[in-house]
Amino acid sequence: QQQVKQSPQSLIVQKGGISIINCAYENTAFDYFPWYQQFPGKGPALLIAIRPDVSEKKEGRFTISFNKSAKQFSLHIMDSQPGDSATYFCAAGNRASYGKLTFGQGTILTVHP
Amino acid sequence: DGGITQSPKYLFRKEGQNVTLSCEQNLNHDAMYWYRQDPGQGLRLIYYSQIVNDFQKGDIAEGYSVSREKKESFPLTVTSAQKNPTAFYLCASSPGHLNTEAFFGQGTRLTVV
Repeated sequence: QQQVKQSPQSLIVQKGGISIINCAYENTAFDYFPWYQQFPGKGPALLIAIRPDVSEKKEGRFTISFNKSAKQFSLHIMDSQPGDSATYFCAAGNRASYGKLTFGQGTILTVHP
Repeated sequence: DGGITQSPKYLFRKEGQNVTLSCEQNLNHDAMYWYRQDPGQGLRLIYYSQIVNDFQKGDIAEGYSVSREKKESFPLTVTSAQKNPTAFYLCASSPGHLNTEAFFGQGTRLTVV
């Protein structure tokens, strides 16, 4: 019940295209859903996060869509750039748990010029 | 310059030895975490601490130990009981109760030789 399932494992997109990564969770106690971006040899950096009281959150080219009834959320990267090439992780947590997060398996995104 | 500092960046351990990974934060965060990252498996929680002198096991605590004697420090010891210690270890911190925004250090890559 603690799992977060992420897909696809890898994604190749042309420059200017839309990258879409999906996650599904089971634990309805989760109330915080962040996305992290990780470059090789570096720690993950928080990209954008959403709480279940909204269905969408947008920051620049990055948008999270959240479907509470389906227990799914997704990351959309508009106008994808080669510099976006990285590994992306979705995660889920509960605010009462002091930030303890359950992570998806990660998606390796490659954006071709 | 606020943040989370992990050291060393690379660490080599002989079989049967204990090694300690350092994690220091100057963000004044209450909570700190240790995650392990293996290829294709996302991040898995080893231990976490919500306050000084208190810590809890995560999902994969066997073969690891921690201490939290100071708010800013959360060292992780990989003991000889950990059967497969080669991995990328990430330390994170978050402000605390009801604030789940977690920030990561740059990681320590541990290799058993």
